[in-house]
Amino acid sequence: AQSVTQLDSQVPVFEEAPVELRCNYSSSVSVYLFWYVQYPNQGLQLLLKYLSGSTLVKGINGFEAEFNKSQTSFHLRKPSVHISDTAEYFCAVTTASYNQGGKLIFGQGTELSVKP
Amino acid sequence: KAGVTQTPRYLIKTRGQQVTLSCSPISGHRSVSWYQQTPGQGLQFLFEYFSETQRNKGNFPGRFSGRQFSNSRSEMNVSTLELGDSALYLCASSLVGTVSSYEQYFGPGTRLTVT
Repeated sequence: AQSVTQLDSQVPVFEEAPVELRCNYSSSVSVYLFWYVQYPNQGLQLLLKYLSGSTLVKGINGFEAEFNKSQTSFHLRKPSVHISDTAEYFCAVTTASYNQGGKLIFGQGTELSVKP
Repeated sequence: KAGVTQTPRYLIKTRGQQVTLSCSPISGHRSVSWYQQTPGQGLQFLFEYFSETQRNKGNFPGRFSGRQFSNSRSEMNVSTLELGDSALYLCASSLVGTVSSYEQYFGPGTRLTVT
């Protein structure tokens, strides 16, 4: 079975500072990894994904993440945050199996709070 | 291209009643998944449908059911509602047949309140 751990439930940061949201996963099979963002009273928006290839993936809004297979991590980073980045961020994993299509396992979420 | 749409956006029901939620996927997406989001349990997978067949199911009681129509639209039903069913129900759609099928795109959700 797969599992995802987001190591920080809340991350406060000042505007224009860098930020890292940490995510570790556990799986005995190959995985695909995702970061989603959720703004208040909205659904989830896909920020970025790791499916294969380069371990450094770039997403929308200036975010990037690095897949580290040996550390089983997929940390999300942004070099300079804005007030508008205040939201909840979810790390998710799914297995590379066609028959298991559609099942994302989510972490508990990290609430990013950007202060002026 | 229009995104995933869910109706209704908000629902208030009484314990013991049943409810049906609807989801229309992005055009061309044939897989639809449902998730429940609560403050205590977070985001949990309910089930996934492809080609009108349930392909995967999470750990929820039989009161939670779903179906998919030939046009890929999906509905989920919760019978005999309990207070603990109060949650945001999210629908997601994805392509099928390529590695991109693992990317899921979410709708805005249906906020269900059970009183």
